[in-house]
Order: sequence, then C-alpha cells, then structure tokens
Amino acid sequence: AQSVTQLGSHVSVSEGALVLLRCNYSSSVPPYLFWYVQYPNQGLQLLLKYTTGATLVKGINGFEAEFKKSETSFHLTKPSAHMSDAAEYFCAVSNSGAGSYQLTFGKGTKLSVIP
Amino acid sequence: GAVVSQHPSWVICKSGTSVKIECRSLDFQATTMFWYRQFPKQSLMLMATSNEGSKATYEQGVEKDKFLINHASLTLSTLTVTSAHPEDSSFYICSASGRGGYEQFFGPGTRLTVL
Repeated sequence: AQSVTQLGSHVSVSEGALVLLRCNYSSSVPPYLFWYVQYPNQGLQLLLKYTTGATLVKGINGFEAEFKKSETSFHLTKPSAHMSDAAEYFCAVSNSGAGSYQLTFGKGTKLSVIP
Repeated sequence: GAVVSQHPSWVICKSGTSVKIECRSLDFQATTMFWYRQFPKQSLMLMATSNEGSKATYEQGVEKDKFLINHASLTLSTLTVTSAHPEDSSFYICSASGRGGYEQFFGPGTRLTVL
C-alpha cells in the first residue's frame, strides 16, 4: 500500500518569501510523484511530476521539487511567493494496479500568502 | 492538449432524485477514467476506476448501486447518483488517462447540492 504525508495542513508565507511544502511518501515500488494545485471550486492542475531521471523537477509557475529517495521525500519549493500562489496543494503518488495507475493523495496543504 | 471537461459544473436537486454527471476527454482517448469525491477542506477520495467497455471497480465503502458509473466510449464516462440525499452533497471530480499512460488529467469538478 502506498501513502502520502503532507506536513502542515496550513502554511503561511509573506509575499516574496520562500515557499516550502513538505511531502513524504511510502511505496514498495519506485514511485511516480506529482504535485497538484487546486483553486477554490476548481479541479486539480498539475504543477510538476517525477517519473524517472533527473531528481530535481521544474514545473509551472516557478515551482520545483526534488525527489530524494533516501528520505522518501518530494518537497515542493518556490523561491519567491506571489499572491496568486494562494491555493490548496496536493502531493500524490502513483502505483500501477490492475492495469491502471491509481493516485494516492496527501491530505493537502493550504498555502496563504501575506501581502 | 489533454483536456477533460465535466458537465454540469454545479447542480442542485431535491432529495430522492437522481443526478447524472458527465466527464469527457476532449482531445485524447481515455482508456481509464477515475471518479473522486471531495468534502470541504479535505483531500480527494477515489470512488471508482473504470476502463472503457468494462464494469467500474469501486473502492471499499462506495455503494455501487448508489453511484452508477458508465464508461461506454473512449471519450465519455458518466456518474449517476441515484436517489440522492443531502449527505451525497459534495464536489465530484473526474480524471482520465490514455492507453498506457500514468498521468491523470483532471476535470474541473461538479458541485452537487442535495436539498
């Protein structure tokens, strides 16, 4: 079974400050890892993903994440927060089961950006 | 590319009625579709996985007779909430993946309110 733990259900940062959202996972097989963003009453938008290869992954809107196998982590960062980054962020891990890649989501982290 | 739509975006119905939600992949063939339910301030909960032309696989605890899922074509899946009750009120999100694809593309969600 796979699981995802997002440390901190709510993170507040000042505009222009570093954003760090933490994600740890457990998986019995090499995982595919994802970060999604959700704005109120909307679906999920993919920020970035890790499958294989380079462990530092760059995504949209200036976000990046680093896959650290030894730490089973996939933390999301952005050097400088913008007001538009305020949203809910979900980390997810994928496994292959019954021919389909089911996602297991973390509980989410709400990011607030203080002007 | 990889656009998924949902219709309706929101629906209000009376208790005891049935509601159908459509999920369409607009520019790719979705061999697998997923249906999620999201309660306020919570993460996504996978309800069921459906492969085109096959019966849906429901997650434990999800009533298959209440949440009818049909995936009759490679671009359309429907979720019918039968005899809806207020506790079925929620945000329902679908996602789709293509043949052999590990990435899921999410629809914008449907807000269901049962009075």
